[in-house]
Amino acid sequence: AQTVTQSQPEMSVQEAETVTLSCTYDTSENNYYLFWYKQPPSRQMILVIRQEAYKQQNATENRFSVNFQKAAKSFSLKISDSQLGDTAMYFCAFLYNFNKFYFGSGTKLNVKP
Amino acid sequence: DTGVSQDPRHKITKRGQNVTFRCDPISEHNRLYWYRQTLGQGPEFLTYFQNEAQLEKSRLLSDRFSAERPKGSFSTLEIQRTEQGDSAMYLCASSLGVTGDSNEQFFGPGTRLTVL
Repeated sequence: AQTVTQSQPEMSVQEAETVTLSCTYDTSENNYYLFWYKQPPSRQMILVIRQEAYKQQNATENRFSVNFQKAAKSFSLKISDSQLGDTAMYFCAFLYNFNKFYFGSGTKLNVKP
Repeated sequence: DTGVSQDPRHKITKRGQNVTFRCDPISEHNRLYWYRQTLGQGPEFLTYFQNEAQLEKSRLLSDRFSAERPKGSFSTLEIQRTEQGDSAMYLCASSLGVTGDSNEQFFGPGTRLTVL
């Protein structure tokens, strides 16, 4: 079975600082995708960043970057220069067999002014 | 086409009643997914369609649940004889494909179901 674990239910960061959200997963698969999705309060989930397991290079999207450690099955999200608009629930997700998404339980990020 | 839409946004029903939700995906997207999200949890996979074919159903989807995507466009999720445990946010998502950039799932706003 595939599992995704986010061990930080809630985190806070000061505006303009850097924060790292953790995610670990368990799988016996070798080829898969990992995602971070953002769910702002009362708004739709949107994709933040995506990583393909066969790519060793860590994905980056502007202020967002990941630290993908395949052997350790770890996929953390770093948010640089945090902004008030980054306040949201963040979900780590694992795409297995190109069919099913497994989501973690989420980390609530609060960016303080 | 501005994104995935879901209707209704909120539904309050009494236990034992039937409810039906609708999802309209992004028009060119072949894949359509249904998830359930309870408070404080991540979305849980329920089922997905490739065009009109329902390819997989989670064991979370009991016999009281049925989903359709008759013409490969919009989809409906019906819950019969609702129970209080069915109270949740029901999310729909669609994607163009499953590999590379096409596997990004675009989510709708969800339908919040409350069973009294």
